[in-house]
Amino acid sequence: KAGVTQTPRYLIKTRGQQVTLSCSPISGHRSVSWYQQTPGQGLQFLFEYFSETQRNKGNFPGRFSGRQFSNSRSEMNVSTLELGDSALYLCASSLRDVEETQYFGPGTRLLVL
Amino acid sequence: AQSVTQPDIHITVSEGASLELRCNYSYGATPYLFWYVQSPGQGLQLLLKYFSGDTLVQGIKGFEAEFKRSQSSFNLRKPSVHWSDAAEYFCAVGGMEYGNKLVFGAGTILRVKS
Repeated sequence: KAGVTQTPRYLIKTRGQQVTLSCSPISGHRSVSWYQQTPGQGLQFLFEYFSETQRNKGNFPGRFSGRQFSNSRSEMNVSTLELGDSALYLCASSLRDVEETQYFGPGTRLLVL
Repeated sequence: AQSVTQPDIHITVSEGASLELRCNYSYGATPYLFWYVQSPGQGLQLLLKYFSGDTLVQGIKGFEAEFKRSQSSFNLRKPSVHWSDAAEYFCAVGGMEYGNKLVFGAGTILRVKS
């Protein structure tokens, strides 16, 4: 079956702009989590959505937001982009809980100029 | 709070040699522990996971890990490394009360020399 897909794969934005990233989970998966990966901070949890509700949130400013649709597809939005937001953004999907395997997508690489 | 330490940033091993990647965690309750691998330009792939039961866990690609509660460790091992194992390896910890949130270590880059 198809894996987790993320679009776009690459993105270049300028400071102050906003960006929306999309994640399509594996069919049947209801949980989608988002992570930011940077060389300096490593992999950091942004938030998790389950059945259209935010179930968990990491320690990121309010400029980072997300949502999940009824088909489990998820989007994350970053407003007022800063240079430090340049990162690989990974999304992961699973059936429901942490006991089930989380499958990661290939990521969206965002460059903020 | 959860935390994970991977003390080795880089490790180089010869092809065919054995491998051990170290991971120490901090977690107040019973941890759920994971090892993921990331190849350049790719997402993360789960190698193995530990929730409970047998403390020696077998994973994909010939990897295994041993949970040692007394040492708060979950080290990854492979008896014979192949050149295709060159990648970055991440240890992660989670728990029932955190949903699917995982806390990752900084990663260990494995280089394999022929």
